[in-house]
Amino acid sequence: RKEVEQDPGPFNVPEGATVAFNCTYSNSASQSFFWYRQDCRKEPKLLMSVYSSGNEDGRFTAQLNRASQYISLLIRDSKLSDSATYLCVVNFRDSNYQLIWGAGTKLIIKP
Amino acid sequence: DAGITQSPRHKVTETGTPVTLRCHQTENHRYMYWYRQDPGHGLRLIHYSYGVKDTDKGEVSDGYSVSRSKTEDFLLTLESATSSQTSVYFCAITPDLNQPQHFGDGTRLSIL
Repeated sequence: RKEVEQDPGPFNVPEGATVAFNCTYSNSASQSFFWYRQDCRKEPKLLMSVYSSGNEDGRFTAQLNRASQYISLLIRDSKLSDSATYLCVVNFRDSNYQLIWGAGTKLIIKP
Repeated sequence: DAGITQSPRHKVTETGTPVTLRCHQTENHRYMYWYRQDPGHGLRLIHYSYGVKDTDKGEVSDGYSVSRSKTEDFLLTLESATSSQTSVYFCAITPDLNQPQHFGDGTRLSIL
């Protein structure tokens, strides 16, 4: 079983819709969680950190469920520019300086 | 954006030649990482550094070596390049393990 798993998609979503995807992790001793977005042939860019209490940044909401060991990302009122691959990242307490990366979920917003 | 510069941005070379990629940061961050990204695999860690002269292997370290002689520079060397090392290489930095990593623009490397 992979340590961090994501549905690869693609998720094809009409513009203006709400879309959500999850990321599951295997190690309960996880400390830090992040969502990144990556555009085609570009570097990953931090979208948001994920806090235990959940957090929101404009149209984006991230939540953490420690009991079920997953994090989620919700995008409201989706825009064409939201089309990208979304990567979830987990820092395990015993990961020896490494972040563990999911393979990403591809999102395509259609007009 | 974090001050990270990767060089070269693109390189084409032949099998068997040595190749060195450079990552330079102006943020004075302690931790530096080299990843490769290939279709279907996502980001895979090659080597990382937790301080000057302190480095360790990642998931896919075979065929690669690194050096960090000063805080700002982290070099990745392909000792004898093979076609399987054709990839996009990203450098990342972070000041703290609980902070997110920030990435350079990447190096597209083709081994013919």
